[in-house]
Amino acid sequence: SQTIHQWPATLVQPVGSPLSLECTVEGTSNPNLYWYRQAAGRGLQLLFYSVGIGQISSEVPQNLSASRPQDRQFILSSKKLLLSDSGFYLCAWTDRNQPQHFGDGTRLSIL
Amino acid sequence: GENVEQHPSTLSVQEGDSAVIKCTYSDSASNYFPWYKQELGKRPQLIIDIRSNVGEKKDQRIAVTLNKTAKHFSLHITETQPEDSAVYFCPDRGATNKLIFGTGTLLAVQP
Repeated sequence: SQTIHQWPATLVQPVGSPLSLECTVEGTSNPNLYWYRQAAGRGLQLLFYSVGIGQISSEVPQNLSASRPQDRQFILSSKKLLLSDSGFYLCAWTDRNQPQHFGDGTRLSIL
Repeated sequence: GENVEQHPSTLSVQEGDSAVIKCTYSDSASNYFPWYKQELGKRPQLIIDIRSNVGEKKDQRIAVTLNKTAKHFSLHITETQPEDSAVYFCPDRGATNKLIFGTGTLLAVQP
C-alpha cells in the first residue's frame, strides 16, 4: 500500500531564515505530487504540483519554490521566510488509480 | 474552487439530525466528485467519492448523490455525531488530477 511522509510536523522559524520541507511517497511510481498551504480558518491553496522528476508547475507567485530531485520526493523551499509564509503546509500525491491523499502536514510559524 | 460552488459555508445541526452539503459545478466534462473531511489541525481525508457514471454512493452514514443534469452533487450525513464536526470540502479536479479547494463547509454537530 502507498504511504506519504511529511516532516517536520511543526516548525518555528525567524523572519528571513531559509526553509526546507520534505515529502516522500512510498509504494507507487511516478506519482503526481502537490504542495498546498492553508492559512488559519481558510481553504487549501495549491502552491506547486509536479508530474515527474524535475517538472514543477507553480500555481501562485510567491516567496517559495519547489523541487523534485527524485521520483517520490518533493521539497518545498524558501531562501528568506516572510511573516506571511506562516501556515499549515500539506503535501499530497495521486496517480492514475488513486484519489488524492495528503500527508500529515507541517505547521510553520514565523516569528 | 474555481469551477465549484459549495453551500452552505457553515452548518450547525443537533446530534442525530441529518446534514446536507451541496456543490454545484460548471464543467460538463467533470467526471469525478470527491468529498474531503478535515478535522481541526489535521490533514484533509477523502471520505467518499463518486464518478459520473453513478448517481448515488453510500458508505454507512454518509452518501453522495450526483445530478448531472443540474450539475450538482451533495454530501449527506445521517444520524450526525459530534465527531462529524469538521470542515468538508468538494474540490474541483483540474488537469493533472490537481484538486482546487475552496473554503469548504464548517459543520458543527451540537450534542
